[in-house]
Amino acid sequence: DAGVIQSPRHEVTEMGQEVTLRCKPISGHNSLFWYRQTMMRGLELLIYFNNNVPIDDSGMPEDRFSAKMPNASFSTLKIQPSEPRDSAVYFCASSRDSSTGNTIYFGEGSWLTVV
Amino acid sequence: EDKVVQSPLSLVVHEGDTVTLNCSYEVTNFRSLLWYKQEKKAPTFLFMLTSSGIEKKSGRLSSILDKKELFSILNITATQTGDSAIYLCAVAGGTSYGKLTFGQGTILTVHP
Repeated sequence: DAGVIQSPRHEVTEMGQEVTLRCKPISGHNSLFWYRQTMMRGLELLIYFNNNVPIDDSGMPEDRFSAKMPNASFSTLKIQPSEPRDSAVYFCASSRDSSTGNTIYFGEGSWLTVV
Repeated sequence: EDKVVQSPLSLVVHEGDTVTLNCSYEVTNFRSLLWYKQEKKAPTFLFMLTSSGIEKKSGRLSSILDKKELFSILNITATQTGDSAIYLCAVAGGTSYGKLTFGQGTILTVHP
């Protein structure tokens, strides 16, 4: 089985530009999570979806961040406009059913640098 | 607010040593505690613990949870250089097993 697939793997962009990160969860998984990892704050949950519906977006830092899940096999995390402090690794993760104790699996991350 | 604290933050040992990594937590409506290993890329799953006192074991790694004292330990015996990584502890609480709160991680370095 393919794991969680993220793209792009690396992105360098200028401040003010729009950034779109993409994620394909593991087939059959109905929960999807976006995490951000920085040296200062470690791994933080930004938002998660269950059956394509956003359940908890309390971790989204501000209005510049938005996430969508138009179908069960695709999600995007968008930052507009981007700022240097958004530089981080953004991980997408998925699980079969987040209410019943199944493990979540991480993609390899999108390494974002905003200059 | 849920909180996970790991100790030590970093550890340097020699091959063959045994290490114990600690994780303490405060969480509303505890569901599970997970250990992950992170090398250069994504965190990879090691263990999920939901019940107190039951040791989970995988090769040289083992882990146990104490829900009364709100902590877990991860043991690695006969360490190898390939064990060098960041070890992350995370706790799931609230309504979802997937809404994880991570600790800051323990950086383990194993020298030959």
